[in-house]
Amino acid sequence: KNQVEQSPQSLIILEGKNCTLQCNYTVSPFSNLRWYKQDTGRGPVSLTIMTFSENTKSNGRYTATLDADTKQSSLHITASQLSDSASYICVVSPGSSASKIIFGSGTRLSIRP
Amino acid sequence: NAGVTQTPKFQVLKTGQSMTLQCAQDMNHNSMYWYRQDPGMGLRLIYYSASEGTTDKGEVPNGYNVSRLNKREFSLRLESAAPSQTSVYFCAGGLTGVNEQYFGPGTRLTVT
Repeated sequence: KNQVEQSPQSLIILEGKNCTLQCNYTVSPFSNLRWYKQDTGRGPVSLTIMTFSENTKSNGRYTATLDADTKQSSLHITASQLSDSASYICVVSPGSSASKIIFGSGTRLSIRP
Repeated sequence: NAGVTQTPKFQVLKTGQSMTLQCAQDMNHNSMYWYRQDPGMGLRLIYYSASEGTTDKGEVPNGYNVSRLNKREFSLRLESAAPSQTSVYFCAGGLTGVNEQYFGPGTRLTVT
């Protein structure tokens, strides 16, 4: 069964610290992996996308990595800010049809001052 | 350019009542989607429309109907609401063949 598992479920860190969120997937075939940020009360917004051949992608203080062999991805946040408090969702696509994509349940990140 | 808009933002229904959730996009997307988001679970696809005039079932279509009114608008209807349909509903748009989606702000629905 195609699945996307994220860990931890929730995380609290102090402002200015770094953190890493994990995503393991069993989706096959694999087309791409995307990380979304979802602020409370809002819809998800795309942060990064990686295809099979890419193993790292950055977007400002966000850096995503992908190991397609072990089917693992991580999202690293550097020098966290209060505005980083949100849920981060890992999404894996088995092909070009968005109707088949699979969403992880997300990691809820809280940044404390 | 408002992106993807949804109405209403909040709704409380009694069991058995009906209602329609509205979604509109001004990004010229061919494809539109309805998801529900429940605590501890990933977003689950209810219905989608790959192009104007077509609709298809997703993972959890039971209890819902959809209408792709035109390229801009995609509505979700609950004919007889049940407490199990208490959830946050998201509409999204995207270009066919490109699986990036742009989400609306969501509708929080409670069925009592």
